[in-house]
Amino acid sequence: QKEVEQNSGPLSVPEGAIASLNCTYSDRGSQSFFWYRQYSGKSPELIMSIYSNGDKEDGRFTAQLNKASQYVSLLIRDSQPSDSATYLCAVPSSSARQLTFGSGTQLTVLP
Amino acid sequence: GAGVSQSPSNKVTEKGKDVELRCDPISGHTALYWYRQSLGQGLEFLIYFQGNSAPDKSGLPSDRFSAERTGGSVSTLTIQRTQQEDSAVYLCASSLLAGVAKNIQYFGAGTRLSVL
Repeated sequence: QKEVEQNSGPLSVPEGAIASLNCTYSDRGSQSFFWYRQYSGKSPELIMSIYSNGDKEDGRFTAQLNKASQYVSLLIRDSQPSDSATYLCAVPSSSARQLTFGSGTQLTVLP
Repeated sequence: GAGVSQSPSNKVTEKGKDVELRCDPISGHTALYWYRQSLGQGLEFLIYFQGNSAPDKSGLPSDRFSAERTGGSVSTLTIQRTQQEDSAVYLCASSLLAGVAKNIQYFGAGTRLSVL
């Protein structure tokens, strides 16, 4: 079992809809979770971090964490074509040094 | 500089040649990481430096790969006798601290390596 798993997609949603991206992780002791956005040919850019169970909202983005079920999700409300990118879920290693990344979910928002 | 700087942005080389990739981290960041991203794949950890401590080389795929960090700042990733499977985007990241769960890593634009 991979340490961090994501649905690879592709995921397509119409403009204005809610995009839901999911991630599961295997290390029950994980404390921090990060969502990076990566446009084609560009480097990953941090968009959300979450450390506690529940929801964390930042503008149109909401991260949801459920440690008991070992999943973290990212919701994008009022999706825009500019949100079209690959979204990477990342979890620190047990040493909290390097990040372990999922394979990413490719999102396309259709105008 | 304002962000993590990597050079070159693109590198095309012939199989069997050696290549050097450079990373200049954000000023003041003590931790530096190298990752590799193959086409359509997630990021794969290669090596990590923290201050003057011995680097964590656990992610290096073979002994053809090595890296150094001079003066606790600039880092160079060297790939000897390149193979076609080394073709990937090599990403460098830096962070203020390491070993802290809330540590945030900031990425450079990457070097796209193509081995012919």
